[in-house]
Amino acid sequence: DTEVTQTPKHLVMGMTNKKSLKCEQHMGHRAMYWYKQKAKKPPELMFVYSYEKLSINESVPSRFSPECPNSSLLNLHLHALQPEDSALYLCASSAGWLGGGPRRNEQFFGPGTRLTVL
Amino acid sequence: AQKITQTQPGMFVQEKEAVTLDCTYDTSDQSYGLFWYKQPSSGEMIFLIYQGSYDEQNATEGRYSLNFQKARKSANLVISASQLGDSAMYFCAMRDGSNFGNEKLTFGTGTRLTIIP
Repeated sequence: DTEVTQTPKHLVMGMTNKKSLKCEQHMGHRAMYWYKQKAKKPPELMFVYSYEKLSINESVPSRFSPECPNSSLLNLHLHALQPEDSALYLCASSAGWLGGGPRRNEQFFGPGTRLTVL
Repeated sequence: AQKITQTQPGMFVQEKEAVTLDCTYDTSDQSYGLFWYKQPSSGEMIFLIYQGSYDEQNATEGRYSLNFQKARKSANLVISASQLGDSAMYFCAMRDGSNFGNEKLTFGTGTRLTIIP
């Protein structure tokens, strides 16, 4: 199984709502990532989890709260978002560091969640 | 700081022709990795090809090859015999090889490739 799944595919929420995005992989990967992508722009890294611990937070506002309950699952909790947070949210996973020198360790991406904040 | 530059915002290519997508990068690191991803209109990022900074041979994956010129800091993607399904946005990305496992990808701005029948 070389697939990263994301739910929901689409989400519309108001600025006072609380919602969560879910990402799952069963490739045994130990690194998982959240990206935000605005239209016609490249993805921007938000968070990285490595071995279920948060290792990178790219100065993301606290209204975005990541969670990694286990090595297969990654959540992004959303609260009090702004309209400018509307974007495609992509999850990715990679094998992670297994020791030794640099190697491919490509990131596998999910199909994304298209989020609209009203 | 790392930087990836893709100077072709859009390209139109006739079906079955070869196409080269340009990518230049800037880094002071000796160890790094270069990736190309394809993003169709559906949104999913699809990994195409990888080149490590210490790899002596240019990478190839099926119809995709990477023209890696280290001294010029370029990593151009070559797609042979283009197909209609190749129409998509293509991103070049670089990974800092010094932070194994916690790997941040720096993406270029992308090239929108359209294949004409």
